[in-house]
Amino acid sequence: EAGVVQSPRYKIIEKKQPVAFWCNPISGHNTLYWYLQNLGQGPELLIRYENEEAVDDSQLPKDRFSAERLKGVDSTLKIQPAELGDSAVYLCASSLGRGSILSLAYNEQFFGPGTRLTVL
Amino acid sequence: AQKITQTQPGMFVQEKEAVTLDCTYDTSDPSYGLFWYKQPSSGEMIFLIYQGSYDQQNATEGRYSLNFQKARKSANLVISASQLGDSAMYFCAMREDPNTGNQFYFGTGTSLTVIP
Repeated sequence: EAGVVQSPRYKIIEKKQPVAFWCNPISGHNTLYWYLQNLGQGPELLIRYENEEAVDDSQLPKDRFSAERLKGVDSTLKIQPAELGDSAVYLCASSLGRGSILSLAYNEQFFGPGTRLTVL
Repeated sequence: AQKITQTQPGMFVQEKEAVTLDCTYDTSDPSYGLFWYKQPSSGEMIFLIYQGSYDQQNATEGRYSLNFQKARKSANLVISASQLGDSAMYFCAMREDPNTGNQFYFGTGTSLTVIP
């Protein structure tokens, strides 16, 4: 079974340029997450999708960040325009999102390899 | 207030010895899940172990065990018989009741170095 796929793996852009990241979750996973991970820190949730609906985007800086998950499968995260402080790793994860809400199967997140963004 | 607190930025352990990585959490939800992830230098997040808030017994997965002390809101990870490949960042995470729309919270991590 294929894991969570992310592309690109690395991206270097100049500030004020736009950038987009793509994520394809594990087949059958309803829930998709985008995280931001700064160097030496834990991941911080940007947005969570249940199927195609964004159910938690309170941490997404909406002035420059946007995301979509068309048809409830793959997802795109965009930054426009990028700032120096956006340099980080962007992680995508997916989980089954079905069954007992306290079960591991429901909650276990499978992470992609991440996209390392450098803004110059 | 921090939802997940990991107070050990770095830990060292001798190969073959056991090590405990500390994690405390803060929630008022009765239903929640606790997770530990490993992140090697290559960057991928690897799931290690899970504990549900209603689980009566401490979770175990091979050399990993979770010392769950609910009253103290503590969920420490114990790695037995450490191996060189255990050197990595370790993150404690919590998910509150998803029916309330709450999210996943990660701690700041503990860097573990296994010494030969």
